[in-house]
Amino acid sequence: DAGITQSPRYKITETGRQVTLMCHQTWSHSYMFWYRQDLGHGLRLIYYSAAADITDKGEVPDGYVVSRSKTENFPLTLESATRSQTSVYFCASSEQGGSYEQYFGPGTRLTVT
Amino acid sequence: DQQVKQNSPSLSVQEGRISILNCDYTNSMFDYFLWYKKYPAEGPTFLISISSIKDKNEDGRFTVFLNKSAKHLSLHIVPSQPGDSAVYFCAASDSGTYKYIFGTGTRLKVLA
Repeated sequence: DAGITQSPRYKITETGRQVTLMCHQTWSHSYMFWYRQDLGHGLRLIYYSAAADITDKGEVPDGYVVSRSKTENFPLTLESATRSQTSVYFCASSEQGGSYEQYFGPGTRLTVT
Repeated sequence: DQQVKQNSPSLSVQEGRISILNCDYTNSMFDYFLWYKKYPAEGPTFLISISSIKDKNEDGRFTVFLNKSAKHLSLHIVPSQPGDSAVYFCAASDSGTYKYIFGTGTRLKVLA
């Protein structure tokens, strides 16, 4: 399927576990982003990537790790999940940075118990 | 420090009337602004954008206005339709960076 996909769509995990959220896009967009959406905060940027092997921190990077070995994939790993990381996570991509709209995936709802 | 603010968490409008959603920003370096619409259980979808060199941009029923001196933008939807019921996020960017800062969203309900 063309576009941007995320997996899993729903995940429940326990405190302290490692969990990886997957993001895949078929447009060959250079830029990819991870956001979390929480009530009262809107969408906050966790990490972004300008190209394969180039990543940088956003507003709320603590507790998260990203990698980007291939242009089309941008996984987000919670190394030791905490309850405060319960959220809805969105992956996005854009053709370029700056003045270009981002295209969002459907989201992953993560619950940490 | 919320650089992009949507002070109205919700808005209800009658079908056929105008919906006006507002957004304020504090960073004078922002020079590109977008509006996204989000339905439940879906990702945000791009709606309309405006560059700081303009003060208005139209796309069908949607118009975005930018007042740089007031650091304020607004989205007008005319006429409003029940299918417009969604959460609307504004986002701002300094085009020299790769990042957007999003507001907290306004939930629009269009009543039939």
